Amino acid sequence: EAQVTQNPRYLITVTGKKLTVTCSQNMNHEYMSWYRQDPGLGLRQIYYSMNVEVTDKGDVPEGYKVSRKEKRNFPLILESPSPNQTSLYFCASRAQGAGEAFFGQGTRLTVV
Amino acid sequence: AQRVTQPEKLLSVFKGAPVELKCNYSYSGSPELFWYVQYSRQRLQLLLRHISRESIKGFTADLNKGETSFHLKKPFAQEEDSAMYYCALKSGTYKYIFGTGTRLKVLA
Repeated sequence: EAQVTQNPRYLITVTGKKLTVTCSQNMNHEYMSWYRQDPGLGLRQIYYSMNVEVTDKGDVPEGYKVSRKEKRNFPLILESPSPNQTSLYFCASRAQGAGEAFFGQGTRLTVV
Repeated sequence: AQRVTQPEKLLSVFKGAPVELKCNYSYSGSPELFWYVQYSRQRLQLLLRHISRESIKGFTADLNKGETSFHLKKPFAQEEDSAMYYCALKSGTYKYIFGTGTRLKVLA
């Protein structure tokens, strides 16, 4: 089944403790993105990747890092999480030239 | 500036009533627009794209370049249509700009 898989689905952590949220897609898509979803603000793009080893900042990149060492994986790294990063995070992938994006199931992160 | 505006945070309608979810955009080029839907506790999924001009689950959306709008419509709402709806604009090659979303509640 074609899908985007994120892990974990739920995470509660403390301020300053580094964490990684994984994202994997099995559709051989070139483009991958991370979004955060906050009430009243909709989805905002954090980072995106055009292909292996090619990434760029989205609209709200502060406090986040990403890497794209393999085409299928696009982890989101929070080196020193803070409470304002409490949010629902979505990973998405898309084929080059295609419009439709496929989303993961989301990761609900709480930073206390 | 490139922007997608969904003016309604919440829209409540009775079952069987018509539904219109509003979306306006600001984009200097030729826009490519989408509607995504998020049912409770599920991932976002594509509902419609303006290029295909199709009807999915009874929903349609027409791009009006003069009014810079891409409103989502359904003639008769069903309870299973209750969800969060996002209008999205593909901006350039890599970027999507999402609206803030409208929660649709269909009342029995």
